[in-house]
Amino acid sequence: TQLLEQSPQFLSIQEGENLTVYCNSSSVFSSLQWYRQEPGEGPVLLVTVVTGGEVKKLKRLTFQFGDARKDSSLHITAAQPGDTGLYLCAGLGYRGSYIPTFGRGTSLIVHP
Amino acid sequence: NAGVTQTPKFRILKIGQSMTLQCTQDMNHNYMYWYRQDPGMGLKLIYYSVGAGITDKGEVPNGYNVSRSTTEDFPLRLELAAPSQTSVYFCASSGTGRSYGYTFGSGTRLTVV
Repeated sequence: TQLLEQSPQFLSIQEGENLTVYCNSSSVFSSLQWYRQEPGEGPVLLVTVVTGGEVKKLKRLTFQFGDARKDSSLHITAAQPGDTGLYLCAGLGYRGSYIPTFGRGTSLIVHP
Repeated sequence: NAGVTQTPKFRILKIGQSMTLQCTQDMNHNYMYWYRQDPGMGLKLIYYSVGAGITDKGEVPNGYNVSRSTTEDFPLRLELAAPSQTSVYFCASSGTGRSYGYTFGSGTRLTVV
């Protein structure tokens, strides 16, 4: 079983601060995805990274896939209250399966 | 484009009752999934389907059943509801290929009393 560990589990910060969320595994993934989930809604895809070392930017969000394809990070610059939510990472393995492994999530609260 | 539609949004069941959670997608995705989400526990896979007529168990299938008669629909059946099935249920779909993401429905909050 491929496991994804996310850290931190909870994060409470003030508007304008920077933060980084980590997603780590001992397994290699063919691709990794990040989702944001708001209360009462389903997760929404933010980005997919597929190449080791890949960096993708989405406005103030920067996503990185580790060189060894075992880990990923999400960095938010100048957080805003609208960034509040649960951030989930999900990895796809190499066995031709499209069944993702999800981390438990990082719950982020950004205070105005 | 509606994406993934789940009904109902909320439901309260008594122990031993049965119900079906509906899920429909309009993206012609082959893969469909049912997850349950409990606080602090992430998403647990209940069942999944790789195409019409093909289903398989996920991590926590006990107490649930599914069917996939069409590409669009993937209902989840609870036969004898138990308090342990109180949770938020999400249906999702995806295309094939490692760059495809998953599209989730907005969820069904189920309480078994």
